[in-house]
Amino acid sequence: AQSVSQHNHHVILSEAASLELGCNYSYGGTVNLFWYVQYPGQHLQLLLKYFSGDPLVKGIKGFEAEFIKSKFSFNLRKPSVQWSDTAEYFCAVNAGDMRFGAGTRLTVKP
Amino acid sequence: NAGVTQTPKFRVLKTGQSMTLLCAQDMNHEYMYWYRQDPGMGLRLIHYSVGEGTTAKGEVPDGYNVSRLKKQNFLLGLESAAPSQTSVYFCASSDQGSGSPLHFGNGTRLTVT
Repeated sequence: AQSVSQHNHHVILSEAASLELGCNYSYGGTVNLFWYVQYPGQHLQLLLKYFSGDPLVKGIKGFEAEFIKSKFSFNLRKPSVQWSDTAEYFCAVNAGDMRFGAGTRLTVKP
Repeated sequence: NAGVTQTPKFRVLKTGQSMTLLCAQDMNHEYMYWYRQDPGMGLRLIHYSVGEGTTAKGEVPDGYNVSRLKKQNFLLGLESAAPSQTSVYFCASSDQGSGSPLHFGNGTRLTVT
């Protein structure tokens, strides 16, 4: 079965700083890749997804992610974070069922 | 739009007690999932279903059972609760297989004492 690794457990940034969250997966076949966000006290919501085609995908709220097949990576980026981006971010891989990484907690200081 | 509805929202059990968590979706989705969320461990898949009458084990199925008797409902059962099952449980659904994102319920916070 596939597995997902998120390297950063907790990231603290100031507003307007750039963000990159790492995600690596292990699975040899075709996968579909996702990033979800969980705001405090809420359930997970979809940020963006990759199925095929352009490896650079854009999602909601200015987020984007790049799929690098050779590195089995799907890193999430945002050029300039806002205080409202404070949340937990989960990378997920679906190769038959959806598996999630451990999550990265992002704190943005105003 | 109700989406995915989980009941109850909170529950406290004593060790050894049993309970059933109910998940209902009104989107006619084929796939349904049960996850548990624990600090530092993300979401771990307990069981899932690819259609009415089918179930499959996920990453952490031990101590749980599920049933999908109707397409819109996916039940998660704990036959004999243990403190290690203290967690937040999320149900999710999707309309197809691996290409579809999940729609999540609001979660059930379960404490086992």
